[in-house]
This record gives sequence, C-alpha cells and structure tokens, in this order.
Amino acid sequence: DVKVTQSSRYLVKRTGEKVFLECVQDMDHENMFWYRQDPGLGLRLIYFSYDVKMKEKGDIPEGYSVSREKKERFSLILESASTNQTSMYLCASSSRQTYRNNEQFFGPGTRLTVL
Amino acid sequence: AQSVTQPDIHITVSEGASLELRCNYSYGATPYLFWYVQSPGQGLQLLLKYFSGDTLVQGIKGFEAEFKRSQSSFNLRKPSVHWSDAAEYFCAVVRAAGNKLTFGGGTRVLVKP
Repeated sequence: DVKVTQSSRYLVKRTGEKVFLECVQDMDHENMFWYRQDPGLGLRLIYFSYDVKMKEKGDIPEGYSVSREKKERFSLILESASTNQTSMYLCASSSRQTYRNNEQFFGPGTRLTVL
Repeated sequence: AQSVTQPDIHITVSEGASLELRCNYSYGATPYLFWYVQSPGQGLQLLLKYFSGDTLVQGIKGFEAEFKRSQSSFNLRKPSVHWSDAAEYFCAVVRAAGNKLTFGGGTRVLVKP
C-alpha cells in the first residue's frame, strides 16, 4: 500500500515562529503536493513539486515556501506563522507515469494552530 | 479555469436510507473526475474515478457515480447508508495542465441511527 506520512498530527505554534511541516512517501512518486483544508473551501493547493529540487506555486502560495531535497520528502515551511494560517494541512503524492489518470494519495493531515 | 461545485454543505441521512451527493464541474474538454472521502481524523481516500467509457462508475464501499456531460455533473450515490459512511466527501477534477486537481468545497454527511 502507498503510504504518505506527515510528521505531526497536531501542532501549536506562536505568531512569528518559523514552522516546518514534513511529508514522506514510500512509493517513489515523482509528484508531491501541499494543500490546506478549510471548512467550506475544500482543499486548496499551496505548492506542487514534480521532481527533486523542483517546485511550482499553487493557488495560495503566499506566506509559504517548500523544499524537496530528496524524492521521498517534501517540506512545507511557514516563514513567519500568522493566525490566518491556522488550518489543516494535507500532503499528497502521485505518479507522473499516468499523467492525467493519476490518483493522488494523501497523508493523515497536520492540524496547525497559530496563537 | 476548471471549477467544482458541491451545492450541499451538509446532508443528514438515516441509516439504511439512500444517499446522493451532488457535484457540478466546469471544464471545456472531457473531464477526469474523482470522488474522495475523508473520515474523521483521516486523510482523503479515493472512492472512485471517471476518465472515459461507461458513464456509471463503481467504487469502493458500495458507492457509485454517474457522469452526465449534458448536465456537467458527477453525482455520487449509495443505495443504503451505514453509520460508518459519516464523513466528508470531496469531488475533484483534473486540471487542463495535468497532474493537479481542483477540489469542490466538500459535503459533510451525518448518519442518524
């Protein structure tokens, strides 16, 4: 089974702190994604990576950055956390092989609270 | 740009009753469509997907969905709901550039005993 793991299920941080969210997948997938999930808004794409050291902005990249130094690991960084970044963060991965047919596999999510 | 609308934010259904969740999409070409489920405290799990061919798609957990091009819809159905179906359901469409998905806002399903 594909497994996508996220470093924390719950995280509480203070305004202005630098926050790292880690995601690891074990299926040798090329594509990895970071989403935030808010009630009524569904999932919104923050950043996308299609290869090591490659990244692409999603729909709401402001206030976030990412790092992909190894194929299996994709990190989301909040440079200076703010209260409006309190949310559920979901990581996903998919294979590039099937292009548009690709299913995304999701981690369990990290619920981040910024005080 | 592609968009996905799930008109119902919440649905309450009695156990054993049928369930239908609505999904409308906006997309110029043939859409690639997904339904995902998120159980409490869990990540998203794929229920089913449509790429081409038969417009009635069978998925896991007894769910099915019907693609109707004329109505730009991809509604999810289950004939008899179980208490374990209480969850949030998301419809999604593959974007034109491939690889990325656009999600609807989700529908939260509550199952009454």
